[in-house]
Amino acid sequence: DAGVIQSPRHEVTEMGQEVTLRCKPISGHDYLFWYRQTMMRGLELLIYFNNNVPIDDSGMPEDRFSAKMPNASFSTLKIQPSEPRDSAVYFCASSSYRGLVREQYFGPGTRLTVT
Amino acid sequence: GDSVTQMEGPVTLSEEAFLTINCTYTATGYPSLFWYVQYPGEGLQLLLKATKADDKGSNKGFEATYRKETTSFHLEKGSVQVSDSAVYFCALSLNTGGFKTIFGAGTRLFVKA
Repeated sequence: DAGVIQSPRHEVTEMGQEVTLRCKPISGHDYLFWYRQTMMRGLELLIYFNNNVPIDDSGMPEDRFSAKMPNASFSTLKIQPSEPRDSAVYFCASSSYRGLVREQYFGPGTRLTVT
Repeated sequence: GDSVTQMEGPVTLSEEAFLTINCTYTATGYPSLFWYVQYPGEGLQLLLKATKADDKGSNKGFEATYRKETTSFHLEKGSVQVSDSAVYFCALSLNTGGFKTIFGAGTRLFVKA
């Protein structure tokens, strides 16, 4: 099993530019989560999907952020326009409902730097 | 609301010392409880889990027991190694209504040789 795949691993961009982060969940998983991690705020849930449908986007900071999941094997998180305060590590995680145990499998993260 | 509180770090120990990281939770219903570990430059990975009261999760020498009466899930290891240096997250997942996992703030552990 390849695990959760994220790309790119590092992204450096200038303020005002559009940024797109990509995620491929583990095959067969029907839940996908996007998190943001910073030293100041810790780990924050941005949005999660079930069967490609967004369920809860209450953690998305503002309208500059958007996420899509066009199919079961691919999701994107887009920031447009980007700002320096968006600098963080963004994680994608996937999961599958099996009985009562709902562990999540995290990707390696994308480190975003906005200058 | 539902929440997880864990001890603040960093925790600094010498190799072979005993480790305890405290975690308490508040939840409606009967959550599953988890410890995740994050090594430098990596994503979180599941360390151990417990799904009901009095269950003990264990992995790689780490243990935690689901204590319903004290709403706690403390992480312990009898003898830490330098390679255990990482950030540890306590988390809960509710088994009804929604699918969010609620994470604690994380506790950074440094182990000195």
